[in-house]
Amino acid sequence: QVQLQESGPGLVKPSGTLSLTCAVSGGSISSSNWWSWVRQPPGKGLEWIGEIYHSGSTNYNPSLKSRVTISVDKSKNQFSLKLSSVTAADTAVYYCARAPDTKLHAFDIWGQGTMVTVSS
Amino acid sequence: QSVLTQPPSVSGAPGQRVTISCTGSSSNIGAGYDVHWYQQLPGTAPKLLIYGNSNRPSGVPDRFSGSKSGTSASLAISGLQAEDEADYYCQSYDSSLSGYVFGTGTKVTVL
Repeated sequence: QVQLQESGPGLVKPSGTLSLTCAVSGGSISSSNWWSWVRQPPGKGLEWIGEIYHSGSTNYNPSLKSRVTISVDKSKNQFSLKLSSVTAADTAVYYCARAPDTKLHAFDIWGQGTMVTVSS
Repeated sequence: QSVLTQPPSVSGAPGQRVTISCTGSSSNIGAGYDVHWYQQLPGTAPKLLIYGNSNRPSGVPDRFSGSKSGTSASLAISGLQAEDEADYYCQSYDSSLSGYVFGTGTKVTVL
């Protein structure tokens, strides 16, 4: 059974870069799935950040595209998120999620999430 | 601001049936893109509840059902139970935004 686990600093300074990694266990990141990042500010709803395929193809939320980079490391079976020029508005729980490469593209497996606070 | 609108809250007594609407537009649900529903229990990650408008993943009780018509979709919970108290989100794709979008979320309270 595939499991996802996020990791990374829980505190990032304003104007800095948020960096998170999602480790995939119980399956290969090179399988027919898209790997996404989704975030949720405290007390608010879900926002899709972007996704990557094992080939390196990416799709990003246009509202965040200028600040987001998602990459994949097949040797470590993990993928990563970098969000630059962060502000307090980027404070959120960040989830990684899997979506099978089908027309449906539903997020069927989620990590437990990691809280990231942007503060000096 | 989300392009998929849900009521902020719905409530019902145990055993009752409640429905949650998800209203979109011609660039998402109305364009034929599939709608998926997620359940988020307090302090936990979202869980896929309904995929492809009306399909339940293995393990999801048949008390949960989904439908789609025009530019809207709905999630129904019949035989409401205390354990159903959670936040529920719809999700689809939006061609104008070129990305995946979530609904505003609905909190279900069991009275």
